[in-house]
Amino acid sequence: GDSVTQMEGPVTLSEEAFLTINCTYTATGYPSLFWYVQYPGEGLQLLLKATKADDKGSNKGFEATYRKETTSFHLEKGSVQVSDSAVYFCALRLTGRRALTFGSGTRLQVQP
Amino acid sequence: EAGVTQSPTHLIKTRGQQATLRCSPISGHTSVYWYQQALGLGLQFLLWYDEGEERNRGNFPPRFSGRQFPNYSSELNVNALELEDSALYLCASILTLQGSTEAFFGQGTRLTVV
Repeated sequence: GDSVTQMEGPVTLSEEAFLTINCTYTATGYPSLFWYVQYPGEGLQLLLKATKADDKGSNKGFEATYRKETTSFHLEKGSVQVSDSAVYFCALRLTGRRALTFGSGTRLQVQP
Repeated sequence: EAGVTQSPTHLIKTRGQQATLRCSPISGHTSVYWYQQALGLGLQFLLWYDEGEERNRGNFPPRFSGRQFPNYSSELNVNALELEDSALYLCASILTLQGSTEAFFGQGTRLTVV
């Protein structure tokens, strides 16, 4: 079945450090890929997405590139801030379907 | 425009009781998805309602059920509560526009079973 695997957290970084959160997927067909962020006490918000191979999604300084050859969609940010502390979820959605399949989430803690 | 709203925010029940969780999607959205976010287990798909009908359900026992009303709001019912049902339950409404589909999530209901 379809699945998303994320690196386990928590990831603890100092402010202005470089961030990578790994995400790989298994899917039948060609999925769209997403990163959602959940700030403390809030629901999930869409951070960025990519709908086909080699697409790069970007938002708020975060980037992720859809790599079909490695079935990956790693999240990166060049310089994290304390306000980036949250749980990040990688997700996929198959073409023609609306349900999202999520990874387990990765908690990011950024220290000043 | 109001987002997805869920109620209650927190719910405490004892084992064996029933819990009812409510969700109002964004105005104009007809699909509602329910997810369970248990500690350390990520988001697990529970149920999908569209146009008043259950379209799909995840790998959960029948004591997890729900319904969607004519105004597209939805209820999730959990019967015979067990301790491991303690989790954050998230509702999402889906909008498909010009081939692009977006999911919008509520803040969730935190259910604690004691």
